[in-house]
Amino acid sequence: NAGVTQTPKFQVLKTGQSMTLQCAQDMNHEYMSWYRQDPGMGLRLIHYSVGAGITDQGEVPNGYNVSRSTTEDFPLRLLSAAPSQTSVYFCASSPRLATSTDTQYFGPGTRLTVL
Amino acid sequence: GESVGLHLPTLSVQEGDNSIINCAYSNSASDYFIWYKQESGKGPQFIIDIRSNMDKRQGQRVTVLLNKTVKHLSLQIAATQPGDSAVYFCAEGGGSYIPTFGRGTSLIVHP
Repeated sequence: NAGVTQTPKFQVLKTGQSMTLQCAQDMNHEYMSWYRQDPGMGLRLIHYSVGAGITDQGEVPNGYNVSRSTTEDFPLRLLSAAPSQTSVYFCASSPRLATSTDTQYFGPGTRLTVL
Repeated sequence: GESVGLHLPTLSVQEGDNSIINCAYSNSASDYFIWYKQESGKGPQFIIDIRSNMDKRQGQRVTVLLNKTVKHLSLQIAATQPGDSAVYFCAEGGGSYIPTFGRGTSLIVHP
């Protein structure tokens, strides 16, 4: 299994440009999520999905859209990039989101710079 | 605990010493707690977890202690090695809510 994969690894955008960060997992996990990580900060949840066709907002959803058409893929879209979105983005998946201790598996991250 | 500002709390230890990393959590209803290790340039990696009905859990060279009275969690690493140098995050979760992460602590191991 490849686990959780993310593309691209690095990206530079100009203010106002749009792009999609890709995330895929091959573990048949129901739950997927996107986090951003800024210097000196922990991981902050952007959006999450508890299954195909179901998405919901996390702590910092503004400026980002998601969709979950398949179990495997969970892309994150920036509609109009802003410098405040410069960050490292992590995608994660887990078997389910419940009262068990199902751990989340994280991808390697995408480092995004918005000029 | 967590510090305010852009700088992570840092713990510096000598190789071979024991390390203790602390975390204060906020939700008394959390069902479980997880410690993650994040090496430079990589995503967080699961280390160990503990359920809220436990006080202590041991893994290989790591022990997690949970004090629900003061909402405090600690990760103890025995015989710390240079490969243990990383940022360590605690996360709390459970029920219908999404796990939330602390800011992290940077562990530096000196040979």
